[in-house]
Amino acid sequence: DGGITQSPKYLFRKEGQNVTLSCEQNLNHDAMYWYRQDPGQGLRLIYYSQIVNDFQKGDIAEGYSVSREKKESFPLTVTSAQKNPTAFYLCATLGGTEAFFGQGTRLTVV
Amino acid sequence: KNEVEQSPQNLTAQEGEFITINCSYSVGISALHWLQQHPGGGIVSLFMLSSGKKKHGRLIATINIQEKHSSLHITASHPRDSAVYICGGETSGSRLTFGEGTQLTVNP
Repeated sequence: DGGITQSPKYLFRKEGQNVTLSCEQNLNHDAMYWYRQDPGQGLRLIYYSQIVNDFQKGDIAEGYSVSREKKESFPLTVTSAQKNPTAFYLCATLGGTEAFFGQGTRLTVV
Repeated sequence: KNEVEQSPQNLTAQEGEFITINCSYSVGISALHWLQQHPGGGIVSLFMLSSGKKKHGRLIATINIQEKHSSLHITASHPRDSAVYICGGETSGSRLTFGEGTQLTVNP
């Protein structure tokens, strides 16, 4: 089945460590996105990519980095520079008629 | 200020009521999206529209390009409609940003 796979579903890290969240899609979509969601809040755009080897900062890119070496993959690294990394992270793609979302990764930094 | 604003933030209705959620955007968009987020966090796309009106079952979405406004209507609401409804705007370069969401609770 076509879709977006985010892994892992839950992730725990110690403060000061970088962590990479995985996002893979087999929908053959060009555009991919990373959003952060805090409890009771909306989706805030971290980074997005229209095409392989190109990506743009969203509204809250500080403390995050991405790569887009393959069309299928858009990993997000939460660096130690991110002041408050504990959140729910969602990956998405944009098809011709709708947006598709992964199931999300809940990151807890202790 | 967000590019996309939604109202109301919270909405409580009785089963069977007609529901309207509003979305306004401040920039030119190429398409507007409506999403539904379930309590577990999963998100599904409801509509993508750039003009006029779309209908799917009991859900109707409309957009007025000149007024930069969209509405999501739910007819004959049911408790299973309880969720967060999110609207978003797609701007140049495939940038896609969303509003804060509307928490809908439908009581039996």
